Amino acid sequence: AQSVSQHNHHVILSEAASLELGCNYSYGGTVNLFWYVQYPGQHLQLLLKYFSGDPLVKGIKGFEAEFIKSKFSFNLRKPSVQWSDTAEYFCAVTVTSGSARQLTFGSGTQLTVLP
Amino acid sequence: EPEVTQTPSHQVTQMGQEVILRCVPISNHLYFYWYRQILGQKVEFLVSFYNNEISEKSEIFDDQFSVERPDGSNFTLKIRSTKLEDSAMYFCAIKRDLAGANEQFFGPGTRLTVL
Repeated sequence: AQSVSQHNHHVILSEAASLELGCNYSYGGTVNLFWYVQYPGQHLQLLLKYFSGDPLVKGIKGFEAEFIKSKFSFNLRKPSVQWSDTAEYFCAVTVTSGSARQLTFGSGTQLTVLP
Repeated sequence: EPEVTQTPSHQVTQMGQEVILRCVPISNHLYFYWYRQILGQKVEFLVSFYNNEISEKSEIFDDQFSVERPDGSNFTLKIRSTKLEDSAMYFCAIKRDLAGANEQFFGPGTRLTVL
C-alpha cells in the first residue's frame, strides 16, 4: 500500500521568505500527486497536481511543485510567502490502477507566516 | 462556488447513538468519497462509492458504517452506534471523471463530537 510522509510538522516563516515543504511517497508503481491546502476554518482546496509530463507543475497563488521520481518526492515551493499563506498543507497521492483512486494523505504541515 | 456542501456543519451526539452525515453535490458526479480527520491526525480514507455501490473501503470502514445515495442526489454516511473515537471531522469528496483528470473536490466537512 502507498504511504506519504511530510517531515515538517510546523514551519514558521516571515513574509517574503521562500518556502519549501517536503513530501515523499512510497509506492512502486505510477502515481498521481497532489498538494491540498486547508485555510483556518475552511475545507481542503487543491493547490496543484501532477499526472504526467513536465515534472515541474505550477498551481494557484504562486505555488509550484517538482516531481522527482528517483527520490519519490514532490516538494512544494513558493519563492515569497505572504501572511495569507498561513494554513495547513497536505501532500496526497493516488495510484493509477483501479477506478476509485482514493487519496492517501500525508500528516500535513502547518505553515505560519509572520507579518 | 463550492462543488459540494455538507450538513450538518457540527453534530454532537451521545455515545451509542446513530448519526447521519450528508453530502450534497452541486452537479452530477461519478465518484463519491468519505474521509475523516481525527484532531491532530492525518486525513484518512474511509470509503468510495460509484454507481450506487461501494467501490473501495478502508479497514476503518467497519460494520458500524454504511453509505448510500437514497434519492440520487444526497450521499450519506451513517454511523450506527457511535463511539468516542468516532469524534473527528468527516469530509465528503466528489470526482467527475471516470479516468484521466483525477481531481477530487472536498466539502467543508462535518465536525462530529461524540460524548
